[in-house]
Amino acid sequence: NAGVTQTPKFRVLKTGQSMTLLCAQDMNHEYMYWYRQDPGMGLRLIHYSVGEGTTAKGEVPDGYNVSRLKKQNFLLGLESAAPSQTSVYFCASTTSGAYEQYFGPGTRLTVT
Amino acid sequence: GESVGLHLPTLSVQEGDNSIINCAYSNSASDYFIWYKQESGKGPQFIIDIRSNMDKRQGQRVTVLLNKTVKHLSLQIAATQPGDSAVYFCAERPTSWAGTASKLTFGTGTRLQVTL
Repeated sequence: NAGVTQTPKFRVLKTGQSMTLLCAQDMNHEYMYWYRQDPGMGLRLIHYSVGEGTTAKGEVPDGYNVSRLKKQNFLLGLESAAPSQTSVYFCASTTSGAYEQYFGPGTRLTVT
Repeated sequence: GESVGLHLPTLSVQEGDNSIINCAYSNSASDYFIWYKQESGKGPQFIIDIRSNMDKRQGQRVTVLLNKTVKHLSLQIAATQPGDSAVYFCAERPTSWAGTASKLTFGTGTRLQVTL
């Protein structure tokens, strides 16, 4: 049981490049989330999903897109990376009716 | 590891002493609270939670206290160990988000440094 995994762990992009972050969970959780974590700030919700095929905007969705084609996977895409998107990205999941979220190890993204 | 928080308040505690980490939450209508621990280079890890109908909950070496009057949450760690060194932050769930995918609002955190 690996819990929540994220790929890749580190990435450096040039401004304007695109990339996709992959989150996978093996706990059969319905809900999945993408957060960004910046120095001096709490985790901020980018997008979330309440089930396969459904996604919704969080607190800071601009510049990101997501997809949940399979229950166990939640993808976060950056179509045209900007330096303001330099951050650590965390994926989390939980089961319907619960509040405790389980987090992945994070992806450190640097946009130059 | 990742820079979790370059400007976080820091609490330094000697090994073996008790630690108290505080959190002021923002929404008086929140009905659920969680404490997370985040070690350098890792994702947040659940420590303990408490519902708003309680004022105290104990776990293994940890206790969470909730004071709804002043919207204050605290985490007490007994006999602090070097492995407790990490960033600790609280999260709350506003009742207005009930039924909306278990979303949480996260605090900025406190860095706990355990000295030998």
